[in-house]
Amino acid sequence: ETGVTQTPRHLVMGMTNKKSLKCEQHLGHNAMYWYKQSAKKPLELMFVYNFKEQTENNSVPSRFSPECPNSSHLFLHLHTLQPEDSALYLCASSQGTENSPLHFGNGTRLTVT
Amino acid sequence: GQNIDQPTEMTATEGAIVQINCTYQTSGFNGLFWYQQHAGEAPTFLSYNVLDGLEEKGRFSSFLSRSKGYSYLLLKELQMKDSASYLCAVRDGDYKLSFGAGTTVTVRA
Repeated sequence: ETGVTQTPRHLVMGMTNKKSLKCEQHLGHNAMYWYKQSAKKPLELMFVYNFKEQTENNSVPSRFSPECPNSSHLFLHLHTLQPEDSALYLCASSQGTENSPLHFGNGTRLTVT
Repeated sequence: GQNIDQPTEMTATEGAIVQINCTYQTSGFNGLFWYQQHAGEAPTFLSYNVLDGLEEKGRFSSFLSRSKGYSYLLLKELQMKDSASYLCAVRDGDYKLSFGAGTTVTVRA
């Protein structure tokens, strides 16, 4: 079992839908992250939470809304998305120290139609 | 902004050695990470360098030169299962982790 679990694995939604991505980590980490991965592009950092507090919002459009109710759970709420938002959305966690690596979930493959 | 460059693709033969280079220009430096990502799977941590020099972990080694803004990942005794994308990532002065676009390595029999 992976230490970071994401659901759903695949999601197809229309531009007017509202959906949520869920991430749970079982590693006792303090920090959680959302990254977007598009083909042939670097991973793009979207949001960072440290001890449940949002410490980074990397100029992400408001149609993406994160929620971190506790250090183990992270959500990404989606509404009125655009086709160019289709990508792999990766959740990660870390201890939050400078030498601590990120541990990633398997991602949610999102397709906006 | 952050600039992290690595080759797009590399091909090598089973049993051979492949070296994946990464150059970076970032606002601050707090370490460099290498990740492996198989198609459809999560990136997994391979190595971390913060001081100059070589870190060896079995068949994989990673080198860092901070003065040159340069790192490489060395994969020895290549196996078919090593076919994957390899991501270079730099932790900058604000402790954010910025990634390169990844190098797809194909191992041929």
